[in-house]
Amino acid sequence: EVQLVETGGGWVQPGGSLRLSCAASGFIVSGNYMSWVRQAPGKGLEWVSVLYGDGVTYYADSVNGRFTISRDSSKNTLYFQLNSLRVEDTAVYYCAKGVKTRNWYGGLFDSWGQGTLVTVSS
Amino acid sequence: EIVMTQSPATLSVSPGYRATLSCRASQSVGSNLAWYQQKPGQAPRLLIYDASARATGIPARFSGSGSGTEFTLTISSLQSEDFAVYYCQQYNNWPPWTFGQGTKVEIK
Repeated sequence: EVQLVETGGGWVQPGGSLRLSCAASGFIVSGNYMSWVRQAPGKGLEWVSVLYGDGVTYYADSVNGRFTISRDSSKNTLYFQLNSLRVEDTAVYYCAKGVKTRNWYGGLFDSWGQGTLVTVSS
Repeated sequence: EIVMTQSPATLSVSPGYRATLSCRASQSVGSNLAWYQQKPGQAPRLLIYDASARATGIPARFSGSGSGTEFTLTISSLQSEDFAVYYCQQYNNWPPWTFGQGTKVEIK
């Protein structure tokens, strides 16, 4: 059974940093593409970043240059380093497992973690 | 960036009745469209992919249709567990992959 468990959220002041973790079981993280998707309080879903099996990464413009996605294959865990945090980054952050699609770049997610809340406030 | 627009924002339906949700893309996404269900305090769950294929374990009362820019999610006979927020998402044009703003299906 596929499971994704996010940790690392919390309260941080503007300009601060956090590292989110997503521990996976039931599949191999490095064998799939993985994304972070966030949801601001009471709002919809926003794709934020993707890490492919070959190590290639992409980011939404809103976080490019501030956030970094990575993985540790030995721990089968996905990470998300959040730097220079802004009030507008406040959201529940979900990690999601990608599945193969007709396009090489994917974009379809069949398993999601329960999310971890990041609150950026002074 | 492709903008996904869902309507209506809220749909009030009685249990046992049909619910029809719409999703429109700002440009063609072919059939590269998914629907997700999200209940309060829970993660999204994949319902439909490739516009009309049901994901594993999804009941047959959920069906998707459409292509290009116009898509529909139909729930044929609403059960109590179906009251939730539904999001469409395109994965044809990237980056970024984009979601609609959601349709809340509530009990009438």
